[in-house]
Amino acid sequence: EVKLVESGGGLVQPGGSLRLSCSASGFTFSSYNMNWVRQPPGKGLEWVSYISTTTSDTKYVDSVKGRFTISRDNAKNSLYLQMSSLRDEDTAVYYCARDWGDNGAYTPFDHWGQGTLVTVSS
Amino acid sequence: DVVMTQSPLSLPVTLGQPASISCRSSQSLVYSDGNTYLSWFQQRPGQSPRRLIYKVSNWDSGVPDRFSGSGSGTDFTLKISRVEAEDVAVYYCMQGAQWPYTFGQGTKLEIK
Repeated sequence: EVKLVESGGGLVQPGGSLRLSCSASGFTFSSYNMNWVRQPPGKGLEWVSYISTTTSDTKYVDSVKGRFTISRDNAKNSLYLQMSSLRDEDTAVYYCARDWGDNGAYTPFDHWGQGTLVTVSS
Repeated sequence: DVVMTQSPLSLPVTLGQPASISCRSSQSLVYSDGNTYLSWFQQRPGQSPRRLIYKVSNWDSGVPDRFSGSGSGTDFTLKISRVEAEDVAVYYCMQGAQWPYTFGQGTKLEIK
C-alpha cells in the first residue's frame, strides 16, 4: 500500500524557517518524481514544487522561488521542503504527492499524504 | 501559466439526481505525446484530496462508475450520474500538460 506521511509543520514567525518532511512507503521511492502541494485554510490547492528522481531537475511556483528548496534522500525514502523567509501567505496545509514514475503508468497525484499544517504568524 | 476555470463554484444537487462540473483551460492540454493531461480530484470535508479521473476520462482504482470525465483540448466535464450523500465534497480539475501544474478554483457540491 502506497503511504505518504508528512511532518514538520507548526507555528513560525514571519521571516522564519521550517523544514517539512515526507516519509514514503509501499512503493519504490527512488523511481518516482515527487511534488509538494499546499492548501491555505478554506481555500483551493496550489502546486508548490517538484523534484526528479535523481534531483537533477527541480521546479517551483513563482511565489516561493528563492525561498523554498525541495530535496530528497532516496536511501531514506524521504522528501523534504526547506522553507525560509516565510510569509503570512505561506500559511497552509502542505501535502506531498507522487509524480511520474519509471513504469509508464500515469501516477501524478495518485496518492496524497494527510498533510502537515504550517502557520506563519507573529 | 495555464489558468483553469471551473463552473459552477457551488453546486446544490438533489440526492439521486445528476451533477455536472465544467473545467476550461486557457491553453490546450494536449501534450506533445498526444495525451491530454487533465485530472479530477475529490476532497471530502476534513480529508486529503483523492484523484478520481486522469487523462480526461480514465478512472482511478475504486472510483464508482457513476463518475465520468469527458472533453478535449480546453473544455472538460466531470459528471456524476446519480449523486449520493458521500459525494459531498469539493471537486478540483488540474492540468499536468505544462509547468507549473495548475488547479481550478474548486466546485463545492452540496445536497439540496
